[in-house]
Amino acid sequence: DTGVSQDPRHKITKRGQNVTFRCDPISEHNRLYWYRQTLGQGPEFLTYFQNEAQLEKSRLLSDRFSAERPKGSFSTLEIQRTEQGDSAMYLCASSTYTDTQYFGPGTRLTVL
Amino acid sequence: AQSVTQPDIHITVSEGASLELRCNYSYGATPYLFWYVQSPGQGLQLLLKYFSGDTLVQGIKGFEAEFKRSQSSFNLRKPSVHWSDAAEYFCAVGAAAGNNRKLIWGLGTSLAVNP
Repeated sequence: DTGVSQDPRHKITKRGQNVTFRCDPISEHNRLYWYRQTLGQGPEFLTYFQNEAQLEKSRLLSDRFSAERPKGSFSTLEIQRTEQGDSAMYLCASSTYTDTQYFGPGTRLTVL
Repeated sequence: AQSVTQPDIHITVSEGASLELRCNYSYGATPYLFWYVQSPGQGLQLLLKYFSGDTLVQGIKGFEAEFKRSQSSFNLRKPSVHWSDAAEYFCAVGAAAGNNRKLIWGLGTSLAVNP
């Protein structure tokens, strides 16, 4: 069991640039989630996939954010025209139908 | 409104002392309840979960939690704390049914352990 992996672990970018993060879930997990965590806060839900279908998207997610899971396996989260307020830890989790979510190590984004 | 409250932002205990971290939730449907731990630079690790059945659940690292429906609480306990337990602890609630599977999280409780 290799666990959930995320790439990159750290990303520093300049305001206005686009960034893309990747998440590889545990292989047999059909559900995949993205959360965002800022310092001193708990994670906030961003979006959720069941297989390749994006079933829910948070109102927190502006039009600059897009997520895909094209083949129901790995997922990507893209942020266009980054802003300083996007600086956070982006967490990916996966689960089966049993609903226990297992988390990856996260991608820490710093927008300068 | 769905919410999770962890009243204690920061707790300090001595090594070997007992520990209780509080969690209260507000949720309109039957909840699933979770405790996760996050160490610096690490991802979130599941400590334990409550789905149904026995309201006292056992987890990893000697932790347990008790679900009290009448109090909307899911407090985490450990009888004897070890220095390695110093970390951030998060309580989370999710739906037991339906397509909405997101977790709602508390702000976390930071645990420090004195030698």
